[in-house]
Amino acid sequence: QKEVEQDPGPLSVPEGAIVSLNCTYSNSAFQYFMWYRQYSRKGPELLMYTYSSGNKEDGRFTAQVDKSSKYISLFIRDSQPSDSATYLCAMSASQANYGGSQGNLIFGKGTKLSVKP
Amino acid sequence: KAGVTQTPRYLIKTRGQQVTLSCSPISGHRSVSWYQQTPGQGLQFLFEYFSETQRNKGNFPGRFSGRQFSNSRSEMNVSTLELGDSALYLCASSLDRDTGELFFGEGSRLTVL
Repeated sequence: QKEVEQDPGPLSVPEGAIVSLNCTYSNSAFQYFMWYRQYSRKGPELLMYTYSSGNKEDGRFTAQVDKSSKYISLFIRDSQPSDSATYLCAMSASQANYGGSQGNLIFGKGTKLSVKP
Repeated sequence: KAGVTQTPRYLIKTRGQQVTLSCSPISGHRSVSWYQQTPGQGLQFLFEYFSETQRNKGNFPGRFSGRQFSNSRSEMNVSTLELGDSALYLCASSLDRDTGELFFGEGSRLTVL
């Protein structure tokens, strides 16, 4: 079983739809959860960052973490064509648990989203 | 504020050659990480440097190496290139060493023929 699983899609939705993107993970030591957005031919950019469980909202984006189920989600409300990109989840354990740095995030393979006008 | 800068953006090499990629982090960031991105494997961690010291290394062969300079700029080197090394190599910098908030460059796309 891979540490982080993410459905690669592609996912195609009409403009204005609510989008749900998900990742599951197996390592209970993960405490830091992130969503990155990557446009074609660009590097990933941090979209949402959450520590431990709970919800976080930023404009049209909501990130949810359910550590008991080892499941994280990203919701996009009122989706726009400009949201068309690949969305990658990423997570890492605390430095104390792994004796190392936070730099080695574990990424999902990404879900390609297309929002049609 | 300038972002993470990677050079070159695109390069083509042949098998057996070696390549050096450069990364300039965001000003003030001391942690630099390198990732390899391929369609099949996704983003895979190569190594991380903090204050000129390699703090962590991913599961890549010894042909992949890196270093960091006193100004936090970093280079990675791949020797004896193989076809499978064709990928997008991404550099990311971080201010806070404990939370993993990374800021990525646009990458160096390497094609090995």
